[in-house]
Amino acid sequence: DTGVSQDPRHKITKRGQNVTFRCDPISEHNRLYWYRQTLGQGPEFLTYFQNEAQLEKSRLLSDRFSAERPKGSFSTLEIQRTEQGDSAMYLCASSLAADRRTDTQYFGPGTRLTVL
Amino acid sequence: DAKTTQPNSMESNEEEPVHLPCNHSTISGTDYIHWYRQLPSQGPEYVIHGLTSNVNNRMASLAIAEDRKSSTLILHRATLRDAAVYYCILRTGDMRFGAGTRLTVKP
Repeated sequence: DTGVSQDPRHKITKRGQNVTFRCDPISEHNRLYWYRQTLGQGPEFLTYFQNEAQLEKSRLLSDRFSAERPKGSFSTLEIQRTEQGDSAMYLCASSLAADRRTDTQYFGPGTRLTVL
Repeated sequence: DAKTTQPNSMESNEEEPVHLPCNHSTISGTDYIHWYRQLPSQGPEYVIHGLTSNVNNRMASLAIAEDRKSSTLILHRATLRDAAVYYCILRTGDMRFGAGTRLTVKP
């Protein structure tokens, strides 16, 4: 399977703990996006990378959230001191295009986070 | 950001055409209209996109009004596998999803 993969698929943690998610994009895709989706809502944009550079972050991305994409390949999203409101599905997507208005984003299956 | 308005839900019968509407009265001249869908327990998947002209691909057709203030996603023959939440998105950069339309397909 050459699609976007995410690990783990499910994560249960206690409030206050740190968690880290990994996303492996489609090979050679230069853009990588992170989204968060809560029940009954559409995905919300969090941040995106072009190669290894993090070019944009949403206001939703508090100081407890940090994302990296070393070497422009896989990416990690870390949440520090998790809160119950962080419970959601975290989606990763990748794309390859010069124009951000038209690039097709390929989504992974997501990581479902439950904070107890 | 320009916003889109979609019905919360729609129903269709299997093997019949489905027309999913989207209103975007504040669209700007540079906004592309994208449609993605999200099947149960999966990430969203691309369906189609366009700027001014109608577009066709193997999955669907996109009909764009002449004033671009509305568009319609057309599934020519709905199957049970088309049951999903369909999102209409305007893009000048980031994708901003709304709540979408939940399509139910009845056998």
